Amino acid sequence: QQQVKQSPQSLIVQKGGISIINCAYENTAFDYFPWYQQFPGKGPALLIAIRPDVSEKKEGRFTISFNKSAKQFSLHIMDSQPGDSATYFCAASMGQNFVFGPGTRLSVLP
Amino acid sequence: DTAVSQTPKYLVTQMGNDKSIKCEQNLGHDTMYWYKQDSKKFLKIMFSYNNKELIINETVPNRFSPKSPDKAHLNLHINSLELGDSAVYFCASSPSGRGEQYFGPGTRLTVT
Repeated sequence: QQQVKQSPQSLIVQKGGISIINCAYENTAFDYFPWYQQFPGKGPALLIAIRPDVSEKKEGRFTISFNKSAKQFSLHIMDSQPGDSATYFCAASMGQNFVFGPGTRLSVLP
Repeated sequence: DTAVSQTPKYLVTQMGNDKSIKCEQNLGHDTMYWYKQDSKKFLKIMFSYNNKELIINETVPNRFSPKSPDKAHLNLHINSLELGDSAVYFCASSPSGRGEQYFGPGTRLTVT
């Protein structure tokens, strides 16, 4: 019930392509779904987040799509750049309870 | 103007020792967390704490204990260190009632 599944484990995309990372959750009590970006040697940084009352949120090249009935959400990175190469984590939370997905290592080739 | 800071950045110690990692946030948040990130990059919450409640992940050994001298600090004490404690430990904070968390730069603990 507390688990957040994330796929793929790793992703290689050409520069300019679209990167898509998918997550799924079980607990319908979760009410906040953030995505974090982590570069080697750094802490995770909040990238974009969504609440379940909307189906999509876009910030620049980053978009979250949220499907409440399927209990799934995804991150789309448009026009992927080599600087986007990092590990991406989805998460789900309610109150002080945070659960992270296992992460996706994205490599964007120049 | 660092938002969430941790010290030390690296910590190398021997099995059986007791060590502490310090965390400070200047964001005015009232909830703080400790996470463990293992070699496979899994992020696992260890504790969350605000001035009302300490929530402990039941899988965390009682050798680990959080100590909060005030709202801006949440330190992590580890007793009788074991090889399996080697990992990167992250502190984070968030404003109550809102979901976003802000992470510190991490402390890489190596137990030999």
